Amino acid sequence: EADIYQTPRYLVIGTGKKITLECSQTMGHDKMYWYQQDPGMELHLIHYSYGVNSTEKGDLSSESTVSRIRTEHFPLTLESARPSHTSQYLCASSATDRGPMFFGPGTRLTVL
Amino acid sequence: DAKTTQPPSMDCAEGRAANLPCNHSTISGNEYVYWYRQIHSQGPQYIIHGLKNNETNEMASLIITEDRKSSTLILPHATLRDTAVYYCIATVGGGSNYKLTFGKGTLLTVNP
Repeated sequence: EADIYQTPRYLVIGTGKKITLECSQTMGHDKMYWYQQDPGMELHLIHYSYGVNSTEKGDLSSESTVSRIRTEHFPLTLESARPSHTSQYLCASSATDRGPMFFGPGTRLTVL
Repeated sequence: DAKTTQPPSMDCAEGRAANLPCNHSTISGNEYVYWYRQIHSQGPQYIIHGLKNNETNEMASLIITEDRKSSTLILPHATLRDTAVYYCIATVGGGSNYKLTFGKGTLLTVNP
């Protein structure tokens, strides 16, 4: 069973606030990912990392930023939240470049 | 990534085998076929993957045609808990190319 954690699970916040969504994994995986999913819609890759100090933008443009200072930690930050950022954010990790990708439970973000 | 085509929805009776098809007629020789599922907006769950040989694990079997243009995921004895959206993804593994692009998938409903 994969050990990948996301906090908070639910977040309701006002427009203009800065927020950080946390993602941690205890498996020592080098590869980590952030996906965004609106209700009933497809998942879209917004950021990924292949190791410490490596971050790349995904297929869907996002105003969020990420950092990878430690292997186990891959936080996502929104400097100024807007209602258009309301969505579910899913973090994932993988040990290899062909094997299973393990997903966290997600953070449901609502920006009022 | 090769484009994959899946039926939008399928039904299956509880206890029967669920056979989920996926077409990937433009798949290249180094692209793997991955299957994931997502239960009610939880994080996607890895099921199985393969290159050209049939694969089986404790969750499912993956049958890939000899020309690799299509595949079938088989859940041998479907239960109500298998109701989920199932995603078929074809992608190249290896290094910086390893990331998953999710489509709309197939909503499998297992009926009592």
